[in-house]
Amino acid sequence: GEDVEQSLFLSVREGDSSVINCTYTDSSSTYLYWYKQEPGAGLQLLTYIFSNMDMKQDQRLTVLLNKKDKHLSLRIADTQTGDSAIYFCAEKAGGGADGLTFGKGTHLIIQP
Amino acid sequence: EAEVAQSPRYKITEKSQAVAFWCDPISGHATLYWYRQILGQGPELLVQFQDESVVDDSQLPKDRFSAERLKGVDSTLKIQPAELGDSAMYLCASSLARGDEQFFGPGTRLTVL
Repeated sequence: GEDVEQSLFLSVREGDSSVINCTYTDSSSTYLYWYKQEPGAGLQLLTYIFSNMDMKQDQRLTVLLNKKDKHLSLRIADTQTGDSAIYFCAEKAGGGADGLTFGKGTHLIIQP
Repeated sequence: EAEVAQSPRYKITEKSQAVAFWCDPISGHATLYWYRQILGQGPELLVQFQDESVVDDSQLPKDRFSAERLKGVDSTLKIQPAELGDSAMYLCASSLARGDEQFFGPGTRLTVL
């Protein structure tokens, strides 16, 4: 079955880069997503990557995809206190399924 | 800016009671999703609608949960009777069409006592 794994916590200093990692098992995944969730709020789509790409950059965000190893990462450059949140990796399987399969989320903690 | 609306934001109920949640998707979005997010977990899909039709309800506990989208616009998710294990955040999302980017609402946090 589908499974998405993430580390539960990541602590970084303000101004450093944060790298959040994710592994998935479904080789038919078509799109992979990164969502941000602040306390008590819904999910905000940060970025996504199509499975035939290996990198996507959007301002401070860089997504790297290693399809062979089924590994996805999100790099946040110049991490700020406002980046403190839970970051979810999600995959959209192939075969016509539309629902997303999410990891458990990585809590990003910013040290001053 | 168009957003997915959900109400109520918070709901406290006793077990065996009935509860209902409402979602209004972004205008023009044909596809609507209900997800359940248990504390400390990622969201899990409960049901997906395309217009007024159910596309996927394979993960919906149909003995107690029901969902409808009668006119293909807003949607209601109902639980009857509620159980302690139903305590969670219930998230609604919508997309313009199947396979498109999903936009999430703020969620309804349900506590069952």
